[in-house]
Amino acid sequence: GESVGLHLPTLSVQEGDNSIINCAYSNSASDYFIWYKQESGKGPQFIIDIRSNMDKRQGQRVTVLLNKTVKHLSLQIAATQPGDSAVYFCAENFGAGGTSYGKLTFGQGTILTVHP
Amino acid sequence: ETGVTQSPTHLIKTRGQQVTLRCSSQSGHNTVSWYQQALGQGPQFIFQYYREEENGRGNFPPRFSGLQFPNYSSELNVNALELDDSALYLCASSPRTSGIYEQYFGPGTRLTVT
Repeated sequence: GESVGLHLPTLSVQEGDNSIINCAYSNSASDYFIWYKQESGKGPQFIIDIRSNMDKRQGQRVTVLLNKTVKHLSLQIAATQPGDSAVYFCAENFGAGGTSYGKLTFGQGTILTVHP
Repeated sequence: ETGVTQSPTHLIKTRGQQVTLRCSSQSGHNTVSWYQQALGQGPQFIFQYYREEENGRGNFPPRFSGLQFPNYSSELNVNALELDDSALYLCASSPRTSGIYEQYFGPGTRLTVT
């Protein structure tokens, strides 16, 4: 059900700064990870993904780092802009084979606020 | 915009009632997943449909059920609504055949149970 108030981690940065959002995932068997951005009143929007056989992947202004040893994922956003303000979720897909296809487990989320 | 649409946008129901939520997947996507997102939390997987059959289920009771139609659109039905069912219900579609896990989410349906 719905909880009263938000208890998400928050990150506040100035426009132009680099942002780093961290996530600890739960299952060492997870083979695929995704970062989503969710703006108020909208569904999650795909940002970038990474497979478990990689430790780094870069996109446009974003980089995802994967550390399987400590089950840690991070999202780096370069030159953060006010339009980047949103809640960011990491998600993991675990298990091999078709039965686990696309069944994502989401993290808690981090609220990113970018000040002009 | 992802091309995934959901209806209705908002809905208010009374405890004990039943509700049906609808989702149209992105063109060419044959897999639809449903998630429940409580306020201040990440989405939680309810179940997934592939070729009109349930293909996996999360930790939700049987009063949460679904359907997928030949055109790949889907419905989520919830019976005997409880106050804790109040949440944003998200539908996500994906093109399973390519092995890509990426899911495209719709805007969600906000359900309030009073």
